[in-house]
Amino acid sequence: GENVEQHPSTLSVQEGDSAVIKCTYSDSASNYFPWYKQELGKRPQLIIDIRSNVGEKKDQRIAVTLNKTAKHFSLHITETQPEDSAVYFCAASTTGGGNKLTFGTGTQLKVEL
Amino acid sequence: DSGVTQTPKHLITATGQRVTLRCSPRSGDLSVYWYQQSLDQGLQFLIQYYNGEERAKGNILERFSAQQFPDLHSELNLSSLELGDSALYFCASSVEGTGGGKLFFGSGTQLSVL
Repeated sequence: GENVEQHPSTLSVQEGDSAVIKCTYSDSASNYFPWYKQELGKRPQLIIDIRSNVGEKKDQRIAVTLNKTAKHFSLHITETQPEDSAVYFCAASTTGGGNKLTFGTGTQLKVEL
Repeated sequence: DSGVTQTPKHLITATGQRVTLRCSPRSGDLSVYWYQQSLDQGLQFLIQYYNGEERAKGNILERFSAQQFPDLHSELNLSSLELGDSALYFCASSVEGTGGGKLFFGSGTQLSVL
């Protein structure tokens, strides 16, 4: 089955700096890659997603890039703010046979003032 | 608010007992998913139902079972509970049943097995 690895497990940045979280996946058939943000004690919330026919997608301060050949994708957050502090999860899934999203192990992002 | 409703929010029980977790998906969503989140395991996929039928299965223990009813709500049954079953159980829903569907998560049920 699919295996998603995520790095780093913790990331501390200064307010205003950029943050990058990287994930690799094992199943070359995976074609949908969402990112979820989970604040302490809250539910995971979708913040951005990308499909395999697209190399990059941006939404304000957030961007995701996908390298299908290398089987890795990354989340980029620019101009970080304290409210960006949370755990971020990457995930991957394939079409067909259900929608089994396999999640990475999460990155605890801390934005310091 | 995601529109996905989970009850109860907290559940405290003893080893060997059986509990039922309930989930109501967003209006219009046909797929329901169950995930288990523990501190050292991240978000683990348990099972997916689409319009009443099981669609995909993950690492769900034989002691666990689920179903989706005609009104599309779902229940996750956990039996012969062990201390290691203590975790946060999330339900999610999506419109699609196949890959690429955006999942919307409920607030979760925190299960504590004592």
